[in-house]
Amino acid sequence: SQQGEEDPQALSIQEGENATMNCSYKTSINNLQWYRQNSGRGLVHLILIRSNEREKHSGRLRVTLDTSKKSSSLLITASRAADTASYFCATDSNTGKLIFGQGTTLQVKP
Amino acid sequence: DTAVSQTPKYLVTQMGNDKSIKCEQNLGHDTMYWYKQDSKKFLKIMFSYNNKELIINETVPNRFSPKSPDKAHLNLHINSLELGDSAVYFCASSQDSWGGGYTFGSGTRLTVV
Repeated sequence: SQQGEEDPQALSIQEGENATMNCSYKTSINNLQWYRQNSGRGLVHLILIRSNEREKHSGRLRVTLDTSKKSSSLLITASRAADTASYFCATDSNTGKLIFGQGTTLQVKP
Repeated sequence: DTAVSQTPKYLVTQMGNDKSIKCEQNLGHDTMYWYKQDSKKFLKIMFSYNNKELIINETVPNRFSPKSPDKAHLNLHINSLELGDSAVYFCASSQDSWGGGYTFGSGTRLTVV
């Protein structure tokens, strides 16, 4: 069964702007992960945030996690055309598998 | 030296045929997975193996049979292909079954005609 729902489904911004994507989930989690998928390619792991963490940074990426609201957000600052891709959240609920959201398609216009 | 490699990248076949997709990882990971991504980009887990042992089998038709000859390989064999099997199939691996990020292969686009 699908765990995560992402919002928005599609996002179009200009280069240099910030992009924010949200993910909501239903059950308690061990950790939440974000992945990027370029068109026609596999998924690339971006960042993992554990259930006892509230915020995490990696380069231009900032992830927040609110376990009380069962939600997470991914912020990409100073976006570049190369950031154009689909972004997926995935939850790990100690079941031995990741459950993926439906993804947000981000287009960054040069 | 691709970390997770799967072959073939594209597969076009007729209904009723049997086909296989191969996956190999050189990361020394203990766990490998097969995911199916549909036309709406929804990713769903199919199987996972830990050190050659099947640990997850997600209500997949028994026409799909995974095989793990060793912990670096996880192949997927599909019998009697149907139109609805058309999708992109991703192999992935992780250090263990719990709590880590996955490394994905580049996918196999299967088209059944």
